[in-house]
Amino acid sequence: DADVTQTPRNRITKTGKRIMLECSQTKGHDRMYWYRQDPGLGLQLIYYSFDVKDINKGEISDGYSVSRQAQAKFSLSLESAIPNQTALYFCATSDPRYGNTIYFGEGSWLTVV
Amino acid sequence: LAKTTQPISMDSYEGQEVNITCSHNNIATNDYITWYQQFPSQGPRFIIQGYKTKVTNEVASLFIPADRKSSTLSLPRVSLSDTAVYYCLVASMDMGRRALTFGSGTRLQVQP
Repeated sequence: DADVTQTPRNRITKTGKRIMLECSQTKGHDRMYWYRQDPGLGLQLIYYSFDVKDINKGEISDGYSVSRQAQAKFSLSLESAIPNQTALYFCATSDPRYGNTIYFGEGSWLTVV
Repeated sequence: LAKTTQPISMDSYEGQEVNITCSHNNIATNDYITWYQQFPSQGPRFIIQGYKTKVTNEVASLFIPADRKSSTLSLPRVSLSDTAVYYCLVASMDMGRRALTFGSGTRLQVQP
């Protein structure tokens, strides 16, 4: 089983719809991240969380919101999806107690039509 | 985080050694250098990490000169399956309140 699990893996949604991407981890890490990757481009940080009560905006947080329901769970929401949010979304974890190596989920393909 | 600069892309042939250099002129004393590999439609995965001199594992070697202002990831005898994007990150073990951000990476294409 993957240490970082994302659901759904693929989703097609319509413009204006609310969509939630969920992430859970079994590594016991404190820090969790959401990244976005457009085809052929690098990773952009959307939001990050150092613990359940500590959530921070990343490089491209506009149009997104997050919730850290527990140490192991970090969800990303698009309140009103738009086509240019079509991308591959990655959840990741790290922990400075363990060298801050980043562990990524398998990604969630989101298409907004 | 120390700013990093990598080549956008590199081409190689199977069986060759590939060296990808990352520049990080403002690296801090307690920063480590970490390299990640990303295949299409997959999340990046850890390859190697080092602080100074040379580190080697079963996948790659990492060379870091004494001034630590650059580092070189060395992939011995690459194969087609090494075609991927390689990211260099420079950060301290204790990040404080900073997040880990990635640059654009180096796209390595291995030809038969």
